[in-house]
Amino acid sequence: EIMMTQSPATLSVSPGERATLSCRTSQSVSSNLAWYQQKPGQAPRLLIFDASTRATGIPARFSGSGSGTEFTLTISSLQSEDFAVYYCQQYNNWPPTWTFGQGTKVEIK
Amino acid sequence: QVQLVESGGGVVQPGRSLRLSCVASGFTFSSYGMYWVRQAPGKGLEWVAVTWYDGRDKYYADSVKGRFTISRDNSKNTLYLQMNSLRVEDTAVYYCARERGKIWGQGTLVTVSS
Repeated sequence: EIMMTQSPATLSVSPGERATLSCRTSQSVSSNLAWYQQKPGQAPRLLIFDASTRATGIPARFSGSGSGTEFTLTISSLQSEDFAVYYCQQYNNWPPTWTFGQGTKVEIK
Repeated sequence: QVQLVESGGGVVQPGRSLRLSCVASGFTFSSYGMYWVRQAPGKGLEWVAVTWYDGRDKYYADSVKGRFTISRDNSKNTLYLQMNSLRVEDTAVYYCARERGKIWGQGTLVTVSS
């Protein structure tokens, strides 16, 4: 079973600043990694898939990088609507199971 | 409009059963694998089960294996989750999601309590 570790658990950032979120997997997942944003009372929203590809409609200030076991989500200039919880997720090709990290909360500093 | 709409949640006693439904619209349901993901109150996301596009391949998280059954009816564009022998720790919002995670439902709350 692949374990996912996200850090930090909470990130305090001022609007306009850069936020860097980390996700580490216990074994290589190649580029089979996605990032989601979740706001209270809402379903998760896909931001990034295949480690670095932005989903449709996602602003360019969101970028993903990494491969293997180390991944990063960067929000270049935080907007008020970006304060939320962010999850990384790995997806196997087969069997097509998912595993999520425990989440990073991005809060207003 | 591409969307998923879950239903069937509610309050149930431990040991009882519940069936969730997820109706898809706006895309060719029979061409996609479909997932159930849950989120306990104040906690993170947990993958529960997946069924592949034709319903023949199904996989479960260890936490629900033997108690939950995922199924689909492609003629009705509907995904199901049959939950038996429910436990207090199954209390969560249950989301259905499409393969690759681009589409999620709004979730349905299941509360297991005596």
